[in-house]
Amino acid sequence: ETGVTQTPRHLVMGMTNKKSLKCEQHLGHNAMYWYKQSAKKPLELMFVYNFKEQTENNSVPSRFSPECPNSSHLFLHLHTLQPEDSALYLCASSPLEGNYGYTFGSGTRLTVV
Amino acid sequence: EDQVTQSPEALRLQEGESSSLNCSYTVSGLRGLFWYRQDPGKGPEFLFTLYSAGEEKEKERLKATLTKKESFLHITAPKPEDSATYLCAVQGGSEKLVFGKGTKLTVNP
Repeated sequence: ETGVTQTPRHLVMGMTNKKSLKCEQHLGHNAMYWYKQSAKKPLELMFVYNFKEQTENNSVPSRFSPECPNSSHLFLHLHTLQPEDSALYLCASSPLEGNYGYTFGSGTRLTVV
Repeated sequence: EDQVTQSPEALRLQEGESSSLNCSYTVSGLRGLFWYRQDPGKGPEFLFTLYSAGEEKEKERLKATLTKKESFLHITAPKPEDSATYLCAVQGGSEKLVFGKGTKLTVNP
């Protein structure tokens, strides 16, 4: 365990479904991130939260909706997804100060059918 | 715009056959260069942070080095359990981590 826990590990959903991904960190970090990892592509930063406030949204389609109720929890709400949204979704956290890099969770493998 | 290019895309080695992975980068104001290891179906696992040219760090069979334009991850006498995808990332003035596509390493027994 890295200190960042993601659930579920695997998710299969239809294009009309609504589901949520959950991320929890117990490292005392102030910043949390959602990344998308597709085959043959670099990790793509989707959303950044600092102290619960969203500071970045990298042109992500509105069918992805993040929520950060506190500094330890992060959600990614999914609705009316497309097959091309199938990917590994990774949550990460980091301290706000300093150059410490990110601690990643194990990810949620999402398949949209 | 910060960019990271990793080569080769894939590398096959025999057990005990040493080699190096390359990470070339362009960044505005390097704050840190990071190496991660990722096993299939798992999140990236932190290996090293390098902050300035000339810096080196070691962990078991891995050694990371940094110049002003690139970083190398040297693998000495690799074992099959070293098989994984190795990711390089840079953090510049924007403070965001920008990742390369990774190098998939396979070590055959």
